[in-house]
Amino acid sequence: DSGVTQTPKHLITATGQRVTLRCSPRSGDLSVYWYQQSLDQGLQFLIQYYNGEERAKGNILERFSAQQFPDLHSELNLSSLELGDSALYFCASSVAGELAKNIQYFGAGTRLSVL
Amino acid sequence: AQKITQTQPGMFVQEKEAVTLDCTYDTSDQSYGLFWYKQPSSGEMIFLIYQGSYDEQNATEGRYSLNFQKARKSANLVISASQLGDSAMYFCAMRDVMDTGRRALTFGSGTRLQVQP
Repeated sequence: DSGVTQTPKHLITATGQRVTLRCSPRSGDLSVYWYQQSLDQGLQFLIQYYNGEERAKGNILERFSAQQFPDLHSELNLSSLELGDSALYFCASSVAGELAKNIQYFGAGTRLSVL
Repeated sequence: AQKITQTQPGMFVQEKEAVTLDCTYDTSDQSYGLFWYKQPSSGEMIFLIYQGSYDEQNATEGRYSLNFQKARKSANLVISASQLGDSAMYFCAMRDVMDTGRRALTFGSGTRLQVQP
């Protein structure tokens, strides 16, 4: 068990809908990352937060948004869903620090199916 | 931009034998981190081993070791004494180290390892 908790584990929804994925980082970790794993794109970085602030963006669509709350949990919001958004979404967390190894520990993922 | 290349889509190994999974990387950074993750069929991503670009010794974690050849830009994972439970997808990844605080991982396409009894 990595200590990173993601809910729900599975999500089935229809095109055009909106969903929220939730992530609780490991105790003490200030950084949270979101990744998308799909068959055609592989594992892609979406967005990074550090202590409530957005730190970096990757290949995140404008229909997607995220935030990190004061208690450090994070939510990834996906709206106007399309079939191509079906994927495994991972949250990861790490200890902050310039000299730290910054090992990212991953949650079990949320498998999103858009029908 | 950073790039990770894993040229072995699939590998087979006999139980109790050693296996090497290849990873090459491309970066213009002097300071970077290299990681290996394991993804079993259940889907979770499990951290295995880390190598820093300035580490002089190759990293080891139990049966896992990382053969780091900086000049060749390779970071191969060696699994000794393979076990049936090692059957999984293995990903090599590199971490950005930017002044902005960006610490995103760039992943390779993965190698599917099957351990045969």
